[in-house]
Amino acid sequence: GAGVSQSPSNKVTEKGKDVELRCDPISGHTALYWYRQSLGQGLEFLIYFQGNSAPDKSGLPSDRFSAERTGGSVSTLTIQRTQQEDSAVYLCASSLALGSGGRHNEQFFGPGTRLTVL
Amino acid sequence: GQQLNQSPQSMFIQEGEDVSMNCTSSSIFNTWLWYKQDPGEGPVLLIALYKAGELTSNGRLTAQFGITRKDSFLNISASIPSDVGIYFCAGQRGANSKLTFGKGITLSVRP
Repeated sequence: GAGVSQSPSNKVTEKGKDVELRCDPISGHTALYWYRQSLGQGLEFLIYFQGNSAPDKSGLPSDRFSAERTGGSVSTLTIQRTQQEDSAVYLCASSLALGSGGRHNEQFFGPGTRLTVL
Repeated sequence: GQQLNQSPQSMFIQEGEDVSMNCTSSSIFNTWLWYKQDPGEGPVLLIALYKAGELTSNGRLTAQFGITRKDSFLNISASIPSDVGIYFCAGQRGANSKLTFGKGITLSVRP
């Protein structure tokens, strides 16, 4: 379909390993956001991309977390040396981001990647 | 980090009943949004509000952006079984800024 896609849908890893999560935004959307959702919690902002640059990285919980975006499209979120507290659903969203507010900046979410760190 | 306040955590209603959910914040937001999340899915936008005092409807859903810009409510009328899910409010300060979410309310509808 034409929505935001994320892969893998599920990832189980051992503590200490690195993981990469991928997000494919809606075609033409220039803004891309990563959020984390822990069990029974709301969504927690991680990082925002406008094009390939990240004006707001304020939500990244530690230096083990990093993200990049290439070609103004696909983004990967990398977690190094995973810990059990990293277990959560990682959600990606994209928006047209024309800069003027309103409907064009509505964020559309992907289905998420469920990460389990054993 | 800061979160919006949504309570109670769970609501149980009878099919056909109306339900109202509130969301409050200690600080101002310039956009308020309501999302619904089904199990295993990402949140889906239900209603977006862009002006203080704005009242917007989307089918059986009605939402309002509080005059103080610190609160919003969502009403669902004549509930049906497929209304079951988690309802999140979210606030946004600037045009392309991050969303700040509430913890969500899990709605159950008894047939």
